[in-house]
Amino acid sequence: DIQMTQSPSSLSASVGDRVTITCQASQDISNYLNWYQQKPGKAPKLLIYDASNLETGVPSRFSGSGSGTDFTFTISSLQPEDIATYYCQQYDNLPLGPRTFGGGTKVEIK
Amino acid sequence: QVQLQESGPGLVKPSQTLSLTCTVSGGSISSGGYYWSWIRQHPGKGLEWIGYIYYSGSTYYNPSLKSRVTISVDTSKNQFSLKLSSVTAADTAVYYCARDRYSYGVDYWGQGTLVTVSS
Repeated sequence: DIQMTQSPSSLSASVGDRVTITCQASQDISNYLNWYQQKPGKAPKLLIYDASNLETGVPSRFSGSGSGTDFTFTISSLQPEDIATYYCQQYDNLPLGPRTFGGGTKVEIK
Repeated sequence: QVQLQESGPGLVKPSQTLSLTCTVSGGSISSGGYYWSWIRQHPGKGLEWIGYIYYSGSTYYNPSLKSRVTISVDTSKNQFSLKLSSVTAADTAVYYCARDRYSYGVDYWGQGTLVTVSS
């Protein structure tokens, strides 16, 4: 099974800061990676699909990049409403393939 | 607007079977194009994909849970269901049903339902 290692597990940043989260796959997953935001007590929300595509309605301060085994998620200017836990998620592009989440990164305001 | 709603007991006794149903509105399961998923989250922990089903009945199960999981679909009711057998306290979690767009991520989620395993 493919393992997803996300780092850091938590971070604290100031409003307006650039925030970067990384996700590493245990093997090449091409661009088969999505990013989600989860606020306390809520279901996750899709932000980025296929490594770099912004989901409709998601603010442009969120972005993703990478391919193969190394991926990056960036918030260009952290806002108070961005306080949440962020998860990467890989998928196998074959029919009925597995899906795996990273361990999550909790983002807090300094 | 697609909506998903989980239903089922919030308390299950150890060794029994956890059963949840997800009712989909605003879209038809049988129209194809999506995997209908169950995902859980242990208290204060990360997300774990339990498995998913296609409208035809084809399934994928997480290998770590495969021996205990059954996911089924009832297209006439626009519902899909989860059964997890022989539960223990380690199965206490919030269970989400969700719609997976194959290559494009999970775009719709239920609100989640907390299932506690306790005698």
